[in-house]
Amino acid sequence: DGGITQSPKYLFRKEGQNVTLSCEQNLNHDAMYWYRQDPGQGLRLIYYSQIVNDFQKGDIAEGYSVSREKKESFPLTVTSAQKNPTAFYLCASSDYTGTGGPSTEAFFGQGTRLTVV
Amino acid sequence: RKEVEQDPGPFNVPEGATVAFNCTYSNSASQSFFWYRQDCRKEPKLLMSVYSSGNEDGRFTAQLNRASQYISLLIRDSKLSDSATYLCVVMEYGNKLVFGAGTILRVKS
Repeated sequence: DGGITQSPKYLFRKEGQNVTLSCEQNLNHDAMYWYRQDPGQGLRLIYYSQIVNDFQKGDIAEGYSVSREKKESFPLTVTSAQKNPTAFYLCASSDYTGTGGPSTEAFFGQGTRLTVV
Repeated sequence: RKEVEQDPGPFNVPEGATVAFNCTYSNSASQSFFWYRQDCRKEPKLLMSVYSSGNEDGRFTAQLNRASQYISLLIRDSKLSDSATYLCVVMEYGNKLVFGAGTILRVKS
């Protein structure tokens, strides 16, 4: 079945450690996204990528890094510079339609809950 | 000013009620518009896309006013199962997908 897979579902990190969250999609979508959601809050955009080997910062990129070496993969690293990383992280993908065209819906993975211990 | 703004609610309504949610967006170059539904501790799922001419899907009606940069969602004959957070979503130029903070709906029997 086509979809987006995030792993792990739960992740515990010690203070000062870097951790990498996995996001893989087999929908052949060009665009991929990472969001952070805190309890009772909306989704805030961390990074997004329109195409392989290209990505842009979202609204809260500080303390995070990404790569897009393959179309189907968009891993997110939460670095030790992120002071408050405990949150629900969601990855999404959508079709890239270029300038002026309507975009299709975004599909989400089931999320990773990161906790700093 | 936030890129996408919604009334956070909560909206507490009885079963069978009609409820309307509103959303405004700041980027006039935005290209696509959606309503998503998110249940507690789950990922968001598409409820419906929003088209300029307005569109309906069963009990749900979405409207878009590009001149006013305003999006709405109307839910008729509310069911208990409609209780969730409703997210207004805007695709800006360059495929930047921006979410509103969400509106909480609680339908009570």
